[in-house]
Amino acid sequence: ETGVTQSPTHLIKTRGQQVTLRCSSQSGHNTVSWYQQALGQGPQFIFQYYREEENGRGNFPPRFSGLQFPNYSSELNVNALELDDSALYLCASSLDQGPGTGYTFGSGTRLTVV
Amino acid sequence: AQKVTQAQTEISVVEKEDVTLDCVYETRDTTYYLFWYKQPPSGELVFLIRRNSFDEQNEISGRYSWNFQKSTSSFNFTITASQVVDSAVYFCALHTNAGGTSYGKLTFGQGTILTVHP
Repeated sequence: ETGVTQSPTHLIKTRGQQVTLRCSSQSGHNTVSWYQQALGQGPQFIFQYYREEENGRGNFPPRFSGLQFPNYSSELNVNALELDDSALYLCASSLDQGPGTGYTFGSGTRLTVV
Repeated sequence: AQKVTQAQTEISVVEKEDVTLDCVYETRDTTYYLFWYKQPPSGELVFLIRRNSFDEQNEISGRYSWNFQKSTSSFNFTITASQVVDSAVYFCALHTNAGGTSYGKLTFGQGTILTVHP
């Protein structure tokens, strides 16, 4: 049973650019959630994808978007990067949207916007 | 709105001391789950425990124990005989189904940095 893997591990982008972060979910998990963790803070919910559709979103602007693919992989896209987007981005996979089976988190992608 | 408060920003102890990490939560939902996660320097969140709102039994797992009290909306975590390997950031999190929708999300506290000195 594989866990959740995220790529890349680190990334440096310039303000205004676009970035794509990738996540490979745990086998059998049909739900993926993305979280943003600023330095010294707890993770904040960005959105959740269930069976390839966004079914919930936190307080993040539309320039944060995502995709989920049939093979359980997913992407987080951020357009028009701002300095405040610098953070650790965590992907979490789970089964059927709920907490019953728990969430498996990846190690994250650390994004730095300069 | 959901809220989780971890009042202790940093705790420093010497190995073999017991340490308790506090967590207080707010929610209007009657059904919810509470989690504790450990975040080592590598970044991933390591699952420690999940407790649903209907189960107030305390739990012990090795050196770890958890005290859930609905009356005070608290879910505290105690490490007995701490070890250097316990050094990490610990997060308490509340899981609810937002507004009765089908999806759920975790609301995290700010985290407590635990340092265990040899």
